[in-house]
Amino acid sequence: NAGVTQTPKFRILKIGQSMTLQCAQDMNHNYMYWYRQDPGMGLKLIYYSVGAGITDKGEVPNGYNVSRSTTEDFPLRLELAAPSQTSVYFCASSYYYRGSEQYFGPGTRLTVT
Amino acid sequence: QQPVQSPQAVILREGEDAVINCSSSKALYSVHWYRQKHGEAPVFLMILLKGGEQKGHDKISASFNEKKQQSSLYLTASQLSYSGTYFCGTELGGSQGNLIFGKGTKLSVKP
Repeated sequence: NAGVTQTPKFRILKIGQSMTLQCAQDMNHNYMYWYRQDPGMGLKLIYYSVGAGITDKGEVPNGYNVSRSTTEDFPLRLELAAPSQTSVYFCASSYYYRGSEQYFGPGTRLTVT
Repeated sequence: QQPVQSPQAVILREGEDAVINCSSSKALYSVHWYRQKHGEAPVFLMILLKGGEQKGHDKISASFNEKKQQSSLYLTASQLSYSGTYFCGTELGGSQGNLIFGKGTKLSVKP
């Protein structure tokens, strides 16, 4: 099993550009999450999904969108990138929603200039 | 709602012990512990559930005081490989399920 995979690993965007961060998992997990990590701040939940076709906002959803058309894939869309979106983005998945280990992807380091 | 971790950083010599604390102002359903090495993804260590169930690592132990909404991670006889940043994540009681992470504790183990 590859676990949770993310692409790209690194990306530099200009202000106002858009991009999609890809995330896929091969563990047949229903639950998937997008976090952002800023230095010294821990991980903040952006969006999560409890299954194909069902998504919901986390703590910091502004400036992002998600979709979940399959169990395996959970892409994160950035529209009109801003410098405040410079961060490391992690995708994760879990078997259960509560009380369950989360498996993290390797992350995408995004810089917006 | 973000749990508070202490200390923010700790430096150890190989073989020494450390305790990392995590506290919340809200009633908790569970506490998770993850370790993250520089430039890598967080890796699961253990979960402590309300009611006493504990799942996870066989070389690292932890406690969960449900009355005080506090958890402690115990690292004994530390090894160089223990270096990294440790995050606790809390799930609130009731119907809210999202994991909320603390700011992390940076642990450095020196030879």
